[in-house]
Amino acid sequence: EPEVTQTPSHQVTQMGQEVILRCVPISNHLYFYWYRQILGQKVEFLVSFYNNEISEKSEIFDDQFSVERPDGSNFTLKIRSTKLEDSAMYFCASMDQRGGNTDTQYFGPGTRLTVL
Amino acid sequence: AQSVAQPEDQVNVAEGNPLTVKCTYSVSGNPYLFWYVQYPNRGLQFLLKYITGDNLVKGSYGFEAEFNKSQTSFHLKKPSALVSDSALYFCAVRDIGSNYQLIWGAGTKLIIKP
Repeated sequence: EPEVTQTPSHQVTQMGQEVILRCVPISNHLYFYWYRQILGQKVEFLVSFYNNEISEKSEIFDDQFSVERPDGSNFTLKIRSTKLEDSAMYFCASMDQRGGNTDTQYFGPGTRLTVL
Repeated sequence: AQSVAQPEDQVNVAEGNPLTVKCTYSVSGNPYLFWYVQYPNRGLQFLLKYITGDNLVKGSYGFEAEFNKSQTSFHLKKPSALVSDSALYFCAVRDIGSNYQLIWGAGTKLIIKP
């Protein structure tokens, strides 16, 4: 069964450094998302991506964040200058808007980002 | 604003007993509701969803959920719990007028005791 994959599983970085979190969505899916979950808190939406552009973003997704789909398979989240409060589990998700799977987002295993 | 509430931080059930994990929602318009499960050190796995149709929705691993419009609830149920069902369960609703992003409940830790 196809699944969303994410790398790395755990990233440790120093405050102020740039990080890139990588995701490979399910092949042929059209919508892509990033969410995050700070330890002990709710899952929060960051950004959605469709047709090679950002379709919606939350207040969390400020100028320090960017997303890219550099090729036909990868979907990346970049944090330009990490802060302590960026420490969280970051989840990538993808969705196929065709047929019976409409509206179901499938999630990757997450990347745990620790900012020191 | 749309929201989801999971009133229980933790639910404890003996193996073999029925389980219920509660979820209530607040939306404008018709709700699109989802349940996901998170096992330790794993991602969010889709369990089931309600879009339209029958109020009782069946999903993976023997789980089902009942949509109740008058009570604005979407409780997750299973007739006979297994120890392996122990995990973190999240209820979510699709944000209205958006590109389908999900609004999440806080999660409920389900512990099944042998």
